[in-house]
Amino acid sequence: DAGVTQSPTHLIKTRGQQVTLRCSPKSGHDTVSWYQQALGQGPQFIFQYYEEEERQRGNFPDRFSGHQFPNYSSELNVNALLLGDSALYLCASSWGPVNEQYFGPGTRLTVT
Amino acid sequence: GNSVTQMEGPVTLSEEAFLTINCTYTATGYPSLFWYVQYPGEGLQLLLKATKADDKGSNKGFEATYRKETTSFHLEKGSVQVSDSAVYFCALSDPQEGANSKLTFGKGITLSVRP
Repeated sequence: DAGVTQSPTHLIKTRGQQVTLRCSPKSGHDTVSWYQQALGQGPQFIFQYYEEEERQRGNFPDRFSGHQFPNYSSELNVNALLLGDSALYLCASSWGPVNEQYFGPGTRLTVT
Repeated sequence: GNSVTQMEGPVTLSEEAFLTINCTYTATGYPSLFWYVQYPGEGLQLLLKATKADDKGSNKGFEATYRKETTSFHLEKGSVQVSDSAVYFCALSDPQEGANSKLTFGKGITLSVRP
C-alpha cells in the first residue's frame, strides 16, 4: 500500500516565478491538506481540500492556491514567489471520520 | 486561537535514559492531541494520539496522557535508543472545525541519543 507521495522532491525557482507541487494521497483517503515548514519550525497549515473544494484555509496570501482532482490527488500552486517562500512543503492525507493525517516526504522549494 | 507550546531544545540523552518532552496547549474547546516524529530528510510520521481527557496514547514504547486540568500532553519513553534520534512535534486539531481539521503544531524539539 503506497503512502502519500509528492513530486518533485526538490525544486529551485527564481523570485517572481510560479511553481506547482503535486501530491497523491494514501490509498482510500479523500482529504488532502498542505503545510509549509520553514527551517527549524513546525509545519504551518496552508489549506485543505475535500470533494474537490477548499474546505479550510490558513493565514496564507492568495498567491497560494490549490486544486483537488476527482482521483483525490492535489496540486499546490504558488505565484510570484518570494525568498520567504523557501521551505519544505508537506502534503497530508486523511479519510472521513478517522482523525489522523498521514504525511508525505515533502517537496523542498528553494527560491533564489 | 489554538496554540501549542513545546519545551525548548535540543535534548541530548544517553541510550537507555528516560525521556520526557513537555507539551502544553491552548484551545477553546476539547482538541484532539498528537505527537508526530520527523526523521532526518523525511516527512512527519504519526507517533500517537489522544482524543479526550485522560486518554493515553502509546506506540513504540512512547506514551502521552491527555491532561485537561493542566492542558498538557507530555511525551515519555522509559528507555530511549539511538534510533529515536529525530525531531518531535506536538500538535492539536479542533473537532469543532470538522473531522480531520487543520493541525496546529508546536515548534518541535530535536532529540539526539548517543550510544
